[in-house]
Amino acid sequence: AQSVTQLGSHVSVSEGALVLLRCNYSSSVPPYLFWYVQYPNQGLQLLLKYTTGATLVKGINGFEAEFKKSETSFHLTKPSAHMSDAAEYFCAVSKMNRDDKIIFGKGTRLHILP
Amino acid sequence: DAMVIQNPRYQVTQFGKPVTLSCSQTLNHNVMYWYQQKSSQAPKLLFHYYDKDFNNEADTPDNFQSRRPNTSFCFLDIRSPGLGDAAMYLCATSRDSTGPLQETQYFGPGTRLLVL
Repeated sequence: AQSVTQLGSHVSVSEGALVLLRCNYSSSVPPYLFWYVQYPNQGLQLLLKYTTGATLVKGINGFEAEFKKSETSFHLTKPSAHMSDAAEYFCAVSKMNRDDKIIFGKGTRLHILP
Repeated sequence: DAMVIQNPRYQVTQFGKPVTLSCSQTLNHNVMYWYQQKSSQAPKLLFHYYDKDFNNEADTPDNFQSRRPNTSFCFLDIRSPGLGDAAMYLCATSRDSTGPLQETQYFGPGTRLLVL
């Protein structure tokens, strides 16, 4: 069975500092991996996704993530945090099988300190 | 702009009183999903439609039903809401290419349900 673990339910960084949100997955077959962002009282918005090919994936708002198969990780990073990045971030995984659903992690709330 | 619309954004109902939440999409996607999201938790898939083919998750209570009269609209019916059903309900769509559940999902803003 697939699963997703997000380390840290809350992460605080100073404005302008590096953002690192950790995600580890387990999957018996090559996974599809996603990061979604959720702003207060809104739906989820896709930041980026990995399916195949290049392991470093660039997304919107300056975020990127690297698929590391050996570490079963898909950590999300941004070089310089902005106040507008404060939100909940969800890592998700699915398999390349037709009937498999997306499994979401429990989420990490990112706080940006002035 | 193509989008996923949910109405209303906030819904208050009484314990046991049936309530319907609506979702519409202008993306012409053939897959539509309903998720329940409780505070500080991940979204939990309730069911999804692949065109008119309804797929219920095994642990979705019978109290939750869904209708999809056409491609654009999908409804979530809660027959007898309990206090534990208070949550954010998210509608999402996706375009089936390699498979219905791997494609990017586009979410609506959600409807927050309060049960009194």
